[in-house]
Amino acid sequence: GAVVSQHPSWVICKSGTSVKIECRSLDFQATTMFWYRQFPKQSLMLMATSNEGSKATYEQGVEKDKFLINHASLTLSTLTVTSAHPEDSSFYICSARRANTGELFFGEGSRLTVL
Amino acid sequence: KQEVTQIPAALSVPEGENLVLNCSFTDSAIYNLQWFRQDPGKGLTSLLLIQSSQREQTSGRLNASLDKSSGRSTLYIAASQPGDSATYLCAVSSSLGGYSTLTFGKGTMLLVSP
Repeated sequence: GAVVSQHPSWVICKSGTSVKIECRSLDFQATTMFWYRQFPKQSLMLMATSNEGSKATYEQGVEKDKFLINHASLTLSTLTVTSAHPEDSSFYICSARRANTGELFFGEGSRLTVL
Repeated sequence: KQEVTQIPAALSVPEGENLVLNCSFTDSAIYNLQWFRQDPGKGLTSLLLIQSSQREQTSGRLNASLDKSSGRSTLYIAASQPGDSATYLCAVSSSLGGYSTLTFGKGTMLLVSP
């Protein structure tokens, strides 16, 4: 089946630094990628939708200057958490929508801990 | 705005039982509906995808139905096993103002005991 690779799986950083998370669709083209965050024992919260070659659409309450999303190609989207703070610690998950079927495939997630 | 509701929020059954998870959505103008499972601390695994023109999909012990007009989908799990224990999420893909949106339910936490 289709695979979405998310990297890194775990990251620990100091407060004030920036962290970049990559999301790659390995064997299909993804016109749309989604970024979510998930707090413990809660459902996914959509942060933003990114379409290849255009600016991401952010959900209400999500700071676009804080969470920079780049979708430069049909197989890669990146999420950069800028000037991270402890409250940004969370589980971040990306998904990619296969271009021809619309089916979604998810990465394994990236657990961010900001000290 | 699309809203997705999943019932029940949690379900505990003994091994071997057949069970049904429910998902309802408010806007019937959807592209597709997808069921996922999520194990603790892990990403999501796609189980079944139903396009808006389809009424059901089957994979092994799983069967998902879609009634677009009534805004409902069910996931049927036959002969449940402890390995089925996970959180099950449904997600609806629809259009909002020309943009493609995706809306998740809050999930059903399933526990299958031996």
